[in-house]
Amino acid sequence: SQTIHQWPATLVQPVGSPLSLECTVEGTSNPNLYWYRQAAGRGLQLLFYSVGIGQISSEVPQNLSASRPQDRQFILSSKKLLLSDSGFYLCAWSPGPQPQHFGDGTRLSIL
Amino acid sequence: AQTVTQSQPEMSVQEAETVTLSCTYDTSESDYYLFWYKQPPSRQMILVIRQEAYKQQNATENRFSVNFQKAAKSFSLKISDSQLGDAAMYFCAYRTTYTGTASKLTFGTGTRLQVTL
Repeated sequence: SQTIHQWPATLVQPVGSPLSLECTVEGTSNPNLYWYRQAAGRGLQLLFYSVGIGQISSEVPQNLSASRPQDRQFILSSKKLLLSDSGFYLCAWSPGPQPQHFGDGTRLSIL
Repeated sequence: AQTVTQSQPEMSVQEAETVTLSCTYDTSESDYYLFWYKQPPSRQMILVIRQEAYKQQNATENRFSVNFQKAAKSFSLKISDSQLGDAAMYFCAYRTTYTGTASKLTFGTGTRLQVTL
């Protein structure tokens, strides 16, 4: 069966520090991959999605970037974190035109 | 662009009773998918139910059912025989059927459901 792993679960970072969140999917090949952010009390906002290795589409301009170095690996990064980057980050995957399956999320707090 | 609106920030239901969560959406497409996701306090996103727009029959999954009104662009979720474990944030989501956009989801802002004894 397919599983999605996302880590770390919780992260506290100072303003201006770099960021790297990792997401991997097991049990499938060539999945569509997604990064979402959920601000406190808000819905989910799609940040990036990828349909293949090295193919990244950005939905909103921001301080973050994404990369897909391997078929089942999706990384969310930042060179310098801002206070506004705080939130709950969710990785998701879908086998093409099927419902998305989500990871357990990363709670990011910026101090 | 598509938008999804959930006008009920919070709802409350007594255990064993029935509750309906509302969702409306705006789109110019004729074929698409609609979903309800549940996010319990653990923050994990769990798919509850899905509806394909070309199907007239309302989707049902055990105690969960939807009332899909395509002309009105309405997609409400009914939870029957509510249980304490149903307490969570519920998100309505829209997805185009156009495969060129990698099945992106557009989410509503969510409805927090409380279940009381």
